[in-house]
Amino acid sequence: AAGVIQSPRHLIKEKRETATLKCYPIPRHDTVYWYQQGPGQDPQFLISFYEKMQSDKGSIPDRFSAQQFSDYHSELNMSSLELGDSALYFCASSSTGAPNEKLFFGSGTQLSVL
Amino acid sequence: QQQVKQSPQSLIVQKGGISIINCAYENTAFDYFPWYQQFPGKGPALLIAIRPDVSEKKEGRFTISFNKSAKQFSLHIMDSQPGDSATYFCAASMRGSSNTGKLIFGQGTTLQVKP
Repeated sequence: AAGVIQSPRHLIKEKRETATLKCYPIPRHDTVYWYQQGPGQDPQFLISFYEKMQSDKGSIPDRFSAQQFSDYHSELNMSSLELGDSALYFCASSSTGAPNEKLFFGSGTQLSVL
Repeated sequence: QQQVKQSPQSLIVQKGGISIINCAYENTAFDYFPWYQQFPGKGPALLIAIRPDVSEKKEGRFTISFNKSAKQFSLHIMDSQPGDSATYFCAASMRGSSNTGKLIFGQGTTLQVKP
């Protein structure tokens, strides 16, 4: 079965650079969530999109923005990167039509800011 | 403020033993409680989930016990195996006109099953 696909798998950036993370949800899933997970931490919700519209917002810095496109894939844009942005970034998708509305996670993008 | 509190932080169990991880929540609007398993460098994978109208759910060696009045739920792993060694997260979410079903995670429990 198709899973959530994230790219790139690893990303190394310098301070003050920009980064773009991509997420391709499971086919027919209409909702995408972005999470940030620091080392040894639990995943923290950043932002979500339903049918290409922002549906919820968590602890996402103003330096970050995201969008969901017509094919339902999503991109997380991160600017003016800081050392503290180094983390594992996960995308998850779900289908609002599914009875349990389960979230399925991708393998994540490991971002390292040097 | 941690909306979902998980314990213990780490757990060591012998092969064949029972692993028990506990979670507590405050928000009574939560109506969906999943458990996720995460291996290093991988994304969380859904293990088992329960809704408040059920007190227990079992899937293979994994059981969720849910106590609505105490606002607590727990994961029991029977006959624990070395391959179960991973980090386990409990989570909670709610649905409603103003909610999107995002998951709020507990702090995680690192389980080590010794051969």
